[in-house]
Amino acid sequence: NAGVTQTPKFQVLKTGQSMTLQCAQDMNHNSMYWYRQDPGMGLRLIYYSASEGTTDKGEVPNGYNVSRLNKREFSLRLESAAPSQTSVYFCASSTTAKETQYFGPGTRLLVL
Amino acid sequence: QKEVEQDPGPLSVPEGAIVSLNCTYSNSAFQYFMWYRQYSRKGPELLMYTYSSGNKEDGRFTAQVDKSSKYISLFIRDSQPSDSATYLCAMFNSGGSNYKLTFGKGTLLTVNP
Repeated sequence: NAGVTQTPKFQVLKTGQSMTLQCAQDMNHNSMYWYRQDPGMGLRLIYYSASEGTTDKGEVPNGYNVSRLNKREFSLRLESAAPSQTSVYFCASSTTAKETQYFGPGTRLLVL
Repeated sequence: QKEVEQDPGPLSVPEGAIVSLNCTYSNSAFQYFMWYRQYSRKGPELLMYTYSSGNKEDGRFTAQVDKSSKYISLFIRDSQPSDSATYLCAMFNSGGSNYKLTFGKGTLLTVNP
């Protein structure tokens, strides 16, 4: 039981490049989330998926898109990376949207 | 006023000390309260989860919620160097935008041997 896994662990991009961050959970959770964590800003919700087939914007969605591929997988896409998107990205999941969230190990992204 | 306020520290204590970590909040609708621990370069992991006012104990950790004062605390007894981490409080309500887990910014704790 791996919990929440994220790939890649670390990525360097140039401004304007695109990439997709992958997240998968094996806990049969219905809800999944993407956060970014920046120094002094705490954890901020980018997008979430309350259940398979639904996605909604969080606090800081601009510049990102998401896909809930199936119940296990939730990906985050940066279409045209900007230096302001340099951050640590965490995926999380929960049984339902009202339950405790469990986090993955994070992806460190550096945009030059 | 921010919804959740947490003193960022850093907090440095000797091994064996009692540690008190605190958060205040402004939204009286919050009903569920959590503490996460985050080691350096790792994801947050759930430490304690409480509902409504009162205390909850788990080993060396005690979570306390005072809804009348909108104040939550995490106490660590007999602190160990392995407790060195950032501690994040988090909370949400059961109705309305139930996806929204609101986090404090975290307190960095160092326990010195």
